[in-house]
Amino acid sequence: DSGVTQTPKHLITATGQRVTLRCSPRSGDLSVYWYQQSLDQGLQFLIHYYNGEERAKGNILERFSAQQFPDLHSELNLSSLELGDSALYFCASSVGGPSNYGYTFGSGTRLTVV
Amino acid sequence: DQQVKQNSPSLSVQEGRISILNCDYTNSMFDYFLWYKKYPAEGPTFLISISSIKDKNEDGRFTVFLNKSAKHLSLHIVPSQPGDSAVYFCAARGRGAQKLVFGQGTRLTINP
Repeated sequence: DSGVTQTPKHLITATGQRVTLRCSPRSGDLSVYWYQQSLDQGLQFLIHYYNGEERAKGNILERFSAQQFPDLHSELNLSSLELGDSALYFCASSVGGPSNYGYTFGSGTRLTVV
Repeated sequence: DQQVKQNSPSLSVQEGRISILNCDYTNSMFDYFLWYKKYPAEGPTFLISISSIKDKNEDGRFTVFLNKSAKHLSLHIVPSQPGDSAVYFCAARGRGAQKLVFGQGTRLTINP
């Protein structure tokens, strides 16, 4: 157990729907990062929040949004889902920015859009 | 724009031999390089890292080499063990950057 909790582990939904992925960071970590891993693709950075504030944004689609709440958990909202959104979504956390040891990942949410 | 590239999607190595995983990068402003290991149904876990001011870092069976002039790093695993079978991701951090940039990953299979 890495200490980073992601729910749900699996999600199957239809095109056009909206889903919310949840992440609880490791105790003491203020930063949360979201990554997407599509088939045969690397880990694509989506967004970084630090203590409730957005700090960096990657190639995140306009249909996707995220937020970090006062208790530091984060949610990634995916709307108007398309087949191509099927992927593994990982959350990671760290105390601040990425340290010399990077950050700690959760076990991911596997999203399947049918 | 893929700043970190792992050009080998897969690698198969005999148990006990050396495994060498390669990674190339384009951004000379990266100050730290990391390797992560990922088993199925788990998130990536940190394995080893190296500062851009060094050319080698060793931790047990794992050694990372950095060649800044070639913008290339490699991970050596000696001797390879069946438990090393996993996907390995190379990652890089820019100075003051708020994220890690990852390569596409290399699936390593260790054959008995």
